[in-house]
Amino acid sequence: SQTIHQWPATLVQPVGSPLSLECTVEGTSNPNLYWYRQAAGRGLQLLFYSVGIGQISSEVPQNLSASRPQDRQFILSSKKLLLSDSGFYLCAWSVMEVDTQYFGPGTRLTVL
Amino acid sequence: QKEVEQDPGPLSVPEGAIVSLNCTYSNSAFQYFMWYRQYSRKGPELLMYTYSSGNKEDGRFTAQVDKSSKYISLFIRDSQPSDSATYLCAMSENNQGGKLIFGQGTELSVKP
Repeated sequence: SQTIHQWPATLVQPVGSPLSLECTVEGTSNPNLYWYRQAAGRGLQLLFYSVGIGQISSEVPQNLSASRPQDRQFILSSKKLLLSDSGFYLCAWSVMEVDTQYFGPGTRLTVL
Repeated sequence: QKEVEQDPGPLSVPEGAIVSLNCTYSNSAFQYFMWYRQYSRKGPELLMYTYSSGNKEDGRFTAQVDKSSKYISLFIRDSQPSDSATYLCAMSENNQGGKLIFGQGTELSVKP
C-alpha cells in the first residue's frame, strides 16, 4: 500500500531563517506531487505541483521554492522566511490517471 | 466569484442528527467530485469520490451531485461525535492526475 511521509511535524523558525520541508511517498512510482498551504480556518492553497523529476509548476508567486530530486521525494524550501509563511503545509500525491489526491500528515510551521 | 463556494460554518448538531454539507461551483466543466474529512491538526483524508451526476452511498455517508444546478452535497446519517471535523469538497475537470479545486471547508461539531 502507498504511504506518504512529511517531516518535521512541527517547526518554529525566526523570520529571515531558511526552510526545508521534506515529503516522500512509498508504494507507487512516478506520482504527481503537490505542496499546499493551509492558513488557520481557511482552505487549501496550492503552492507547487510536479509531474516528474525536475518538473515543477508554481501556482503562487512567493519566496518559496520546490524541488523534486527523486521520483518520490518533494522538497519545499525558502531562503528567508516571512511572518506570512506561517501555516500548515501539506504534501499530497496522485497517480497520472486519477485526480484523487492523498495527503500527508502535514507540517505546522510557525514563523516568529 | 470563487470557483467553489462552501459554507465555512461552524455547524453544530446533536449526536444522531442528519448532517447536510454543501458546495456550489461555477465551472460547468467539472466532472469529478470528492469529499475530504480533516481532523484537527491532521492531513485531509478522502471520504467520497463521485463522477458526474447522481448519488453514491458508503455506510452512513451519501454523496450527491447535481450538475444541472452546479451543486454537490454530502449527507451524514446518524452523526457521531467522531464525525466532528472539517469537511472539504474538491472537484476537477479531467481525471488525469491534475489539479483539484477545493472549497474552503465546513467545520462540523457533533455534540454527544
